[in-house]
Amino acid sequence: GDSVTQMEGPVTLSEEAFLTINCTYTATGYPSLFWYVQYPGEGLQLLLKATKADDKGSNKGFEATYRKETTSFHLEKGSVQVSDSAVYFCALGPYGNNRLAFGKGNQVVVIP
Amino acid sequence: DTEVTQTPKHLVMGMTNKKSLKCEQHMGHRAMYWYKQKAKKPPELMFVYSYEKLSINESVPSRFSPECPNSSLLNLHLHALQPEDSALYLCASSQDRDGGYTEAFFGQGTRLTVV
Repeated sequence: GDSVTQMEGPVTLSEEAFLTINCTYTATGYPSLFWYVQYPGEGLQLLLKATKADDKGSNKGFEATYRKETTSFHLEKGSVQVSDSAVYFCALGPYGNNRLAFGKGNQVVVIP
Repeated sequence: DTEVTQTPKHLVMGMTNKKSLKCEQHMGHRAMYWYKQKAKKPPELMFVYSYEKLSINESVPSRFSPECPNSSLLNLHLHALQPEDSALYLCASSQDRDGGYTEAFFGQGTRLTVV
């Protein structure tokens, strides 16, 4: 079935460093791709989305491009801040009657 | 208004109690969802309602009982829960137009502790 794979393990980096979180997907159709962010003690917030191949989603300095040839949707930010510390989930959907498939998530910790 | 509102934010209940979680959205979305999330894990889908009808039940134990009174409201009734049911319960909604899909909007969640 449709699935999302995120790189393993937490990501720790210094303020103003460049952030990349890898996301690859497997899908039988043409899903939309999403990045969600979850701050401590909160629900999931949609960070950005892309609905078709070659679309670039962007928001709050974060970017991700829907690459069909490499089945990827990597998240990037040029200069992170302490306030970007959160868990980031890559997701795709819909499939199978409005389902969303989530990656395992990456904890990002930004050190001042 | 792109908000999904969940109440209560925190809930502690005994294993013999009956309680309900509530979720409300006013975005005109026609699909609503319940997810369960354990610490450091992605959300796990429990139920999906589409046009107020239950369309997906991911083999959830009967001690969890969903209800969709109207297109804006979603409830989750809890009865005889176990300590392992302690988790963050998230509600979400998305627009379902003629089988189409838009992004899911999530509420802040209810932190449930079963004692």
